[in-house]
Amino acid sequence: GAVVSQHPSWVICKSGTSVKIECRSLDFQATTMFWYRQFPKQSLMLMATSNEGSKATYEQGVEKDKFLINHASLTLSTLTVTSAHPEDSSFYICSARVSGLAGGPGETQYFGPGTRLLVL
Amino acid sequence: GQNIDQPTEMTATEGAIVQINCTYQTSGFNGLFWYQQHAGEAPTFLSYNVLDGLEEKGRFSSFLSRSKGYSYLLLKELQMKDSASYLCASMDSNYQLIWGAGTKLIIKP
Repeated sequence: GAVVSQHPSWVICKSGTSVKIECRSLDFQATTMFWYRQFPKQSLMLMATSNEGSKATYEQGVEKDKFLINHASLTLSTLTVTSAHPEDSSFYICSARVSGLAGGPGETQYFGPGTRLLVL
Repeated sequence: GQNIDQPTEMTATEGAIVQINCTYQTSGFNGLFWYQQHAGEAPTFLSYNVLDGLEEKGRFSSFLSRSKGYSYLLLKELQMKDSASYLCASMDSNYQLIWGAGTKLIIKP
């Protein structure tokens, strides 16, 4: 249980284009998902918290108009990087908040496999 | 403020034991997590502690002392595949994970 998928796994795009990344919870419902960004050899940086049916909560310094988040269903959250630029090239990882998983902790996060974005 | 400290890098020998320490300071506390992250991949959940003491899971064990704001991850019988970054994270009062920068573990034959 608690499998999270992400699509696509790799994206190469031209500067100025928009890129949409999907995050799905495959065998459970996730009311809360998180979007992280990770630059090489650095730790995970939380970008935003995505709540189903409501607006995302963005971390300080993250432009909400540039990184559009939509959590329209209990199994899908999307991150759209609008007008991508080379400095947006990074590893984008989503995670889903899981509560009460049998045999596991009361509350934790399970991660998708990540999406590597390269903007040329 | 909220802060998670762990060593940047450690080196150990195949077959040996290594202990990765983590100290944390967060607004509220709902558990201490360890994740493993191989290069180029997303983190995978390893362990969770919310009560003081040692939790053992195969070759990996995790320890927590809430009064000291301290945890460690113990890896026994090290294998080459254990070469990875190990991320310590504390869950705060809002159930949000506060992440350390990770400890890169290098295993030598």
